[in-house]
Amino acid sequence: AQSVTQLDSQVPVFEEAPVELRCNYSSSVSVYLFWYVQYPNQGLQLLLKYLSGSTLVKGINGFEAEFNKSQTSFHLRKPSVHISDTAEYFCAVNILTGGGNKLTFGTGTQLKVEL
Amino acid sequence: NAGVTQTPKFQVLKTGQSMTLQCAQDMNHNSMYWYRQDPGMGLRLIYYSASEGTTDKGEVPNGYNVSRLNKREFSLRLESAAPSQTSVYFCASSRLDRGLNGELFFGEGSRLTVL
Repeated sequence: AQSVTQLDSQVPVFEEAPVELRCNYSSSVSVYLFWYVQYPNQGLQLLLKYLSGSTLVKGINGFEAEFNKSQTSFHLRKPSVHISDTAEYFCAVNILTGGGNKLTFGTGTQLKVEL
Repeated sequence: NAGVTQTPKFQVLKTGQSMTLQCAQDMNHNSMYWYRQDPGMGLRLIYYSASEGTTDKGEVPNGYNVSRLNKREFSLRLESAAPSQTSVYFCASSRLDRGLNGELFFGEGSRLTVL
């Protein structure tokens, strides 16, 4: 079964500092990878996605992520965070099989940006 | 453009009561989903509908039923609510079959408490 691991449940960081949120997945076949963001009391919205091509993908709000097939990772980074980045971030994987596809989410990482 | 609309936003039930969560999307998407979100567990798929007239079980379907009323609407029913069903429920939709490209559009969530 496919799975997604977000090792850090909470990440505190000071404003303007860099941040990395880690995501690892398990699959021996091709995958699509995503990061979603959830602001308080809202639904999830897509931050960025990797489908194919360049392994470095850029998303909204200055975030980027790098797909590393050998390490089965898709870590999310931002060089300088803002207080408004405080939210929960979810990594998700869509494993491509002949029988159909399903999106599996990680357990989430709460990013708290402090002044 | 409303996107994905869920009703109600909040609901308190007693154990054994029934209720239906409603979801509608105005993006002409084929696929629709119901997820539940619980602390520390991320989002787990309850049921999904790849297209109008079809529904399939997800990861945690027990205690729930769904109806894909038409292309726009996908409802989730709890026949006999249990405290374990206390959660935040999210409806989502996607353009392609079973979210092949993984870009799901989420509603704002329905917070359900079962006493």
